[in-house]
Amino acid sequence: SQTIHQWPATLVQPVGSPLSLECTVEGTSNPNLYWYRQAAGRGLQLLFYSVGIGQISSEVPQNLSASRPQDRQFILSSKKLLLSDSGFYLCASQRGNSYEQYFGPGTRLTVT
Amino acid sequence: KNQVEQSPQSLIILEGKNCTLQCNYTVSPFSNLRWYKQDTGRGPVSLTIMTFSENTKSNGRYTATLDADTKQSSLHITASQLSDSASYICVVSAKAGGGADGLTFGKGTHLIIQP
Repeated sequence: SQTIHQWPATLVQPVGSPLSLECTVEGTSNPNLYWYRQAAGRGLQLLFYSVGIGQISSEVPQNLSASRPQDRQFILSSKKLLLSDSGFYLCASQRGNSYEQYFGPGTRLTVT
Repeated sequence: KNQVEQSPQSLIILEGKNCTLQCNYTVSPFSNLRWYKQDTGRGPVSLTIMTFSENTKSNGRYTATLDADTKQSSLHITASQLSDSASYICVVSAKAGGGADGLTFGKGTHLIIQP
């Protein structure tokens, strides 16, 4: 099975500051990678997904961006955080021919 | 519009009792339905995945059912334990194989097991 690492686990940032969340995957190669946001009392919202190095698709327009510099590394970034960016960010990995999706432990982001 | 509705929103039961969580969906075309368990502050963990041809799948004390005709699924938990306290999320995929397209998430049922 796959193991997903995310850091940091928690983060408190002021409005207008930059953001960088990192996700790395073990136990597979060439996975599909995903960034989700989960707001309190709401379902998971897909933000970005990637089917390969340098290939990023955005599901929701926003001030966030994603990059995939290596096969098993996925980064979520922002130049200037908004209060509405607060939430629980989850990275997930899925083999291209499988239904099974593995999630990381998440990053709790609070924008103040 | 593809939607996944879960009920109840929250549920409290005593340890040792059984419970059933519901998931209704309007996702089309249907590929597969997944149930996840999410402990507070943690990432979701897969419990079951069912395709169109499967109507029951078990994982220990968890049993999921799928009725593709009525577009309903249920997750039955037998002999609940305190560790079952979590949110249970139903996810329906409209796309076969990998890729992100067509995933619709329910908001989850928050289950609390009391001693």
